[in-house]
Amino acid sequence: GAGVSQTPSNKVTEKGKYVELRCDPISGHTALYWYRQSLGQGPEFLIYFQGTGAADDSGLPNDRFFAVRPEGSVSTLKIQRTERGDSAVYLCASSLGIANTEAFFGQGTRLTVV
Amino acid sequence: KQEVTQIPAALSVPEGENLVLNCSFTDSAIYNLQWFRQDPGKGLTSLLLIQSSQREQTSGRLNASLDKSSGRSTLYIAASQPGDSATYLCAGNGGSQGNLIFGKGTKLSVKP
Repeated sequence: GAGVSQTPSNKVTEKGKYVELRCDPISGHTALYWYRQSLGQGPEFLIYFQGTGAADDSGLPNDRFFAVRPEGSVSTLKIQRTERGDSAVYLCASSLGIANTEAFFGQGTRLTVV
Repeated sequence: KQEVTQIPAALSVPEGENLVLNCSFTDSAIYNLQWFRQDPGKGLTSLLLIQSSQREQTSGRLNASLDKSSGRSTLYIAASQPGDSATYLCAGNGGSQGNLIFGKGTKLSVKP
């Protein structure tokens, strides 16, 4: 596609459930990033991939959060045992590389844990 | 730890005014700097990228500059229009880090 695509756009889940959020980056972009944005705040870094491997996962808040990118394209962010504090907009971005390259963002997935 | 401050947090101006949004980093070792626009309930739209070898970028009515010695960047918007109303975010990364560190944004309202 022409841009970064995220699905679903909205997700409501019950506390304790498992969720998966999907990101389809711009074709040819080797770097993929996940961020989380709470109301009134800037996006906060979670994890980024260079190709298939997680180059930096230091932003993941705890071991309930996990992300994969098995073929170096589509990525899935997985959240186990969701908590109400996980409610936020999850943003995905991609870029051609890491250094000196422009990051392009998707529209985000709004996750609400009830 | 790198922190980004954006001033002002909110700004309301009449249509046609020129305006400046400010962004500062606690660690001036910024490799790339990017300015984004975010409309309510939407993702981020990239406006300008200042790469490591650059100090300034222009696109239409927008001009962004970066002073690496002080870790400060400004976004200048000329002849503002109501359609410019949005939240503007700046973000930077260090040379060895791919991820961007964001400010909280400046919420701009341009009144007709």
